[in-house]
Amino acid sequence: DAGVIQSPRHEVTEMGQEVTLRCKPISGHNSLFWYRQTMMRGLELLIYFNNNVPIDDSGMPEDRFSAKMPNASFSTLKIQPSEPRDSAVYFCASSAQGRRWTEQFFGPGTRLTVL
Amino acid sequence: SQQGEEDPQALSIQEGENATMNCSYKTSINNLQWYRQNSGRGLVHLILIRSNEREKHSGRLRVTLDTSKKSSSLLITASRAADTASYFCATDLGMRFGAGTRLTVKP
Repeated sequence: DAGVIQSPRHEVTEMGQEVTLRCKPISGHNSLFWYRQTMMRGLELLIYFNNNVPIDDSGMPEDRFSAKMPNASFSTLKIQPSEPRDSAVYFCASSAQGRRWTEQFFGPGTRLTVL
Repeated sequence: SQQGEEDPQALSIQEGENATMNCSYKTSINNLQWYRQNSGRGLVHLILIRSNEREKHSGRLRVTLDTSKKSSSLLITASRAADTASYFCATDLGMRFGAGTRLTVKP
């Protein structure tokens, strides 16, 4: 298995532009997580899906952020409009969650820079 | 809080020494997990310990869990320069992470 795949790996954009980050979880995993990591705030859980359904989006910073999971093999995190403070590394992770949380597998991350 | 909190924030040791880092949490759990993050990369799962376990080993890693104190520790024995990374704990209640412990192993 190729592991969790994220694209793009790096994204540089200008303030006000729309940004779309993509994630392909490991086949067979039924939970997917989006995290954001910055030096100031550490690793923050933004949202997680279970069986393609958003379960907890309390970490989504504001309405400019939205996430979708149209099927079990694909998810997107969209920022519109982007702002410089959104600059961070965004990680996607997946897990074969049963009744309890188990091991998460992280993707390589997308480094976003908003100028 | 559903997340684990790591302590210390930073730890610097010489190669060959042991490194111990701690994790505290606030609510009852079913399991606790430790992860490692090398600079610029995603987290990698190291070990999971269940609430009915007190100690678990994996290679040079030893994890202990004290549910009465709501704490866990990760011991890395005979450290190597390649162990330089940030280490995080997370519980099964929400998979949120603390600030981590930044370990530096000097050759």
